Amino acid sequence: TQLLEQSPQFLSIQEGENLTVYCNSSSVFSSLQWYRQEPGEGPVLLVTVVTGGEVKKLKRLTFQFGDARKDSSLHITAAQPGDTGLYLCAGAGGSARQLTFGSGTQLTVLP
Amino acid sequence: EAGVAQSPRYKIIEKRQSVAFWCNPISGHATLYWYQQILGQGPKLLIQFQNNGVVDDSQLPKDRFSAERLKGVDSTLKIQPAKLEDSAVYLCASSLGGTATYNEQFFGPGTRLTVL
Repeated sequence: TQLLEQSPQFLSIQEGENLTVYCNSSSVFSSLQWYRQEPGEGPVLLVTVVTGGEVKKLKRLTFQFGDARKDSSLHITAAQPGDTGLYLCAGAGGSARQLTFGSGTQLTVLP
Repeated sequence: EAGVAQSPRYKIIEKRQSVAFWCNPISGHATLYWYQQILGQGPKLLIQFQNNGVVDDSQLPKDRFSAERLKGVDSTLKIQPAKLEDSAVYLCASSLGGTATYNEQFFGPGTRLTVL
């Protein structure tokens, strides 16, 4: 069974601060996705990383896939209240291309 | 493009009662997924359909849960009888399917089930 551990589980910061969320596994994934989920909604895809060592930027968000494709990080620069939400990493693997989700990081950005 | 539709959005039942959830995926999406998301956790895959066939139902508690996608379009997930630990958000997602390494999954808003 593939498991993904996210840390921290909860994070509360002030507007303008930087933060990093980690996603770790002992398993290798063919690709890894980051989602954001807001209350009462389903997860929405932010980014997919495929190649070991890959770095992708989405405005103030920077995503990195580990060289061995077992871990990933999400860095947010100058966080804003609109960044508040549950951030989920999900690894894809297997012939059915299923997703294994981490437990999530609940981020709260205070104005 | 219309997204994944789910109904109802909320459901409250007593333990041992039955409940059914409905999902209409994005038009043209061959693959449909049902996930269970317990509060404070990430979604857990219950069942995956490819058109009207089951690809994986290894994590579906088959003694009480059932799902079908008879015409390869919309799908229903049923719980009978419900237990307290079934309280969760049930998410439906769909993807194009096919041979790509990864197909993006699009999620519906979910059905929040409370079992009393």
